Amino acid sequence: DVKVTQSSRYLVKRTGEKVFLECVQDMDHENMFWYRQDPGLGLRLIYFSYDVKMKEKGDIPEGYSVSREKKERFSLILESASTNQTSMYLCASRSGGDFQETQYFGPGTRLLVL
Amino acid sequence: AQTVTQSQPEMSVQEAETVTLSCTYDTSESDYYLFWYKQPPSRQMILVIRQEAYKQQNATENRFSVNFQKAAKSFSLKISDSQLGDAAMYFCAYRRLVGGGADGLTFGKGTHLIIQP
Repeated sequence: DVKVTQSSRYLVKRTGEKVFLECVQDMDHENMFWYRQDPGLGLRLIYFSYDVKMKEKGDIPEGYSVSREKKERFSLILESASTNQTSMYLCASRSGGDFQETQYFGPGTRLLVL
Repeated sequence: AQTVTQSQPEMSVQEAETVTLSCTYDTSESDYYLFWYKQPPSRQMILVIRQEAYKQQNATENRFSVNFQKAAKSFSLKISDSQLGDAAMYFCAYRRLVGGGADGLTFGKGTHLIIQP
């Protein structure tokens, strides 16, 4: 089974802090994704990566950056956390190729910014 | 840009009954995938069923089936013989077929499904 893990289930940070959310997958997937989930808004794509050191902006990249130094690890960075970044963050991975269509999700990190 | 609309924020069904969750989408692409994902309370998001747009036959997975109407851009999920474990948020999602690269999913806002015992 594909396993996608996230470093924390719950995180509390102060406004202005730099925040790192880590995601690791164990299936050698090329593609990795970060989404945020907010009630009434569904999931929205922040960033994705299709290879090591490669990244693409999603629908809501403002205030975030990402890092992918190794294939199995994809980090989401909040350079200066703000209260409007309080949310659930979900990481996902998918194998490469157009016909590898299933994304596998991690358990999520619930971030509270005070 | 693609959009996915789930018009039912919440649905309720009696155990053992059948329920249908609605989803419509908007795209100018001809090749794409559609998905239903399930997110149980405080648990991980899992794939329920997927449909390739080029396939005319509706996908089925045990008690879960879809009604895919490509011309109408409609993709509803039918759950037969509802069980208490089916209680969850259900998300409809879309992904275009991308030549050689990655692309994320576009999600609807979700439908909260309640199962009445």
